Amino acid sequence: DTGVSQNPRHKITKRGQNVTFRCDPISEHNRLYWYRQTLGQGPEFLTYFQNEAQLEKSRLLSDRFSAERPKGSFSTLEIQRTEQGDSAMYLCASSSSMTGGPLVGTFGSGTRLTVV
Amino acid sequence: GENVEQHPSTLSVQEGDSAVIKCTYSDSASNYFPWYKQELGKRPQLIIDIRSNVGEKKDQRIAVTLNKTAKHFSLHITETQPEDSAVYFCAASNPSSNTGKLIFGQGTTLQVKP
Repeated sequence: DTGVSQNPRHKITKRGQNVTFRCDPISEHNRLYWYRQTLGQGPEFLTYFQNEAQLEKSRLLSDRFSAERPKGSFSTLEIQRTEQGDSAMYLCASSSSMTGGPLVGTFGSGTRLTVV
Repeated sequence: GENVEQHPSTLSVQEGDSAVIKCTYSDSASNYFPWYKQELGKRPQLIIDIRSNVGEKKDQRIAVTLNKTAKHFSLHITETQPEDSAVYFCAASNPSSNTGKLIFGQGTTLQVKP
């Protein structure tokens, strides 16, 4: 369906490996967020981009996590040296600061990461 | 730090009854309060939101109320239907961060029994 697109939908990786996820926001949206959701919990903020600028990064995010949005369109989230505690659903969301709409209006379907 | 508490964690009602979910927030500067519905295995979907300049907002069977003095807000679902069964999350946003970052509650699993 149309909207925020995330790939892959599922990723199983061995502990210590690097993984990269991609998010394609709604085309006219300049705001892009990454959240992480573990089972039974609400989404937890990871990082925020306005256009290509990364304006905020959660203090909970270790230096193994890095995110980019090089051209202000799609974004990637990379996790280096994965740990079992990284297993979660990684959600991307986008919105527009121009329309006065919801701050985090549309989530993607997420990438479910399992670290074995 | 910023914190949002949500209650109850589970709620079971009979079809046709009303359901109320409550949230409290810690940051008095928060001014935007959305609610999301998440069905099993699916993405969170925005169902209603409220800004701090109003005390209540209604959309068909769903309403949200806000008490800024007490720093709490509630979701009200009337005439519940089985398809309302899902996990509901409240959230709050602090404008001083200038990012629209949302702090989410822990979620309420709503079960509507036919």
